Amino acid sequence: DAGVIQSPRHEVTEMGQEVTLRCKPISGHDYLFWYRQTMMRGLELLIYFNNNVPIDDSGMPEDRFSAKMPNASFSTLKIQPSEPRDSAVYFCASSFDGYRTYEQYFGPGTRLTVT
Amino acid sequence: TQLLEQSPQFLSIQEGENLTVYCNSSSVFSSLQWYRQEPGEGPVLLVTVVTGGEVKKLKRLTFQFGDARKDSSLHITAAQPGDTGLYLCAGAKDSNYQLIWGAGTKLIIKP
Repeated sequence: DAGVIQSPRHEVTEMGQEVTLRCKPISGHDYLFWYRQTMMRGLELLIYFNNNVPIDDSGMPEDRFSAKMPNASFSTLKIQPSEPRDSAVYFCASSFDGYRTYEQYFGPGTRLTVT
Repeated sequence: TQLLEQSPQFLSIQEGENLTVYCNSSSVFSSLQWYRQEPGEGPVLLVTVVTGGEVKKLKRLTFQFGDARKDSSLHITAAQPGDTGLYLCAGAKDSNYQLIWGAGTKLIIKP
């Protein structure tokens, strides 16, 4: 069974460019989370969805960040325009509500470098 | 503010030694999870503890949930180089899928 899939694995872009990160959750999972990880701040939740609906986006740093989940098998995180301080590893994770365990399954991450 | 404090932040020991990592909070959690993250990868779930006082074993790893469900520990017996990684604890509260994450313990096991 395939796990969470993220693309690209690495992204290098120049300041001011638009960046789009993609995620395919585990089939059947009804929660999807976007995280950002840095050495300084650790793992930070940016936004999460339930059944494709955004539930809490209070972790999104600013208006330059946006996330969508058009269907149960696909989500995007967009940064426009990108800035050097956005450099980090971005993770997507999914979860299944049925067992009420709140366990999350992570993708391999996208390492973003903004120069 | 709900916080999960992990200690130590960093630990480097020789292969074969034992170690314990702690995860503490002033909040009560419905469950607590431990994850291990290796370089270049996402966190991988190791275990979930749900009941106060619960002990779970995963080979050489022993996880315990505090009686009051505010803290947890991870004990590794006879550590191996393959145990190297970042260990993260995360607490869950009922009906809230936003986990509270610890900052992590970076563990290095030297051969």
